[in-house]
Amino acid sequence: AQSVTQLDSHVSVSEGTPVLLRCNYSSSYSPSLFWYVQHPNKGLQLLLKYTSAATLVKGINGFEAEFKKSETSFHLTKPSAHMSDAAEYFCVVSDGPDTGNQFYFGTGTSLTVIP
Amino acid sequence: GAVVSQHPSWVICKSGTSVKIECRSLDFQATTMFWYRQFPKQSLMLMATSNEGSKATYEQGVEKDKFLINHASLTLSTLTVTSAHPEDSSFYICSATFRTDQPQHFGDGTRLSIL
Repeated sequence: AQSVTQLDSHVSVSEGTPVLLRCNYSSSYSPSLFWYVQHPNKGLQLLLKYTSAATLVKGINGFEAEFKKSETSFHLTKPSAHMSDAAEYFCVVSDGPDTGNQFYFGTGTSLTVIP
Repeated sequence: GAVVSQHPSWVICKSGTSVKIECRSLDFQATTMFWYRQFPKQSLMLMATSNEGSKATYEQGVEKDKFLINHASLTLSTLTVTSAHPEDSSFYICSATFRTDQPQHFGDGTRLSIL
C-alpha cells in the first residue's frame, strides 16, 4: 500500500534559522514525490517535485528536498526561515500510471515562524 | 503557468439548497480534475476524479448523488452539492492536471457554509 507519513504535525522555528520538515513514504513502485504549501483559506501551491531525476530537488522560495530511497524519505529543508513561510505543508506521493497517478497526502505539518 | 481558478471562494446558503462550484484551468487543458474536501486542521480527502467527457470516479464513502461532478470540457469541471445540509459545510478544493504523470495544480478552494 502507498502511504505518506509526515513525522511532525507542528514545527516551530525562529526567523532566520533552518527549517526541516520530515516526510517518509511507502510505495510499491518508483514514486513521484511532491511538497505543497497551503496558506490559510487557500489552495495548495507546488513547492517542488521529484520524478526520478536528480535526488536533490530545488523548489521555489529557497526550499529543497532530497530523495533518499534507502531511507524512503523526502525531507523538505530551507536554510533560513522567513515569516512568510508560516503555513501548512503537505508531502504527497504519486505512484504512477498503474494506480492512475493518484495522489496520497500526508497529514500535513504546520510551520510556525517566530520573529 | 498552470493556473486553476475556483469559484466561488466562499458561499453561505440555507439548508436544502444546491450549490455549484466551478473549477477552471486557465492556461492549460485539464484532462483530469480532482475534487477534495478538507476539514479544519486536516489533510485533503479525495472525493472524486473526473476525466473530460466521462463519468467521475468517486472514492468509497462519497455519495455520488449528493456530490454531482461534471467535466464537460477540458477546462471546466463543476461540483454540485445537492440539497446541502450543515454537515456538508467544509472547504472544497479542486485540482487539475494536463497529464497524469505531472503535478496537480490546485484552485484556491471554496469555503461552503450551510446554515
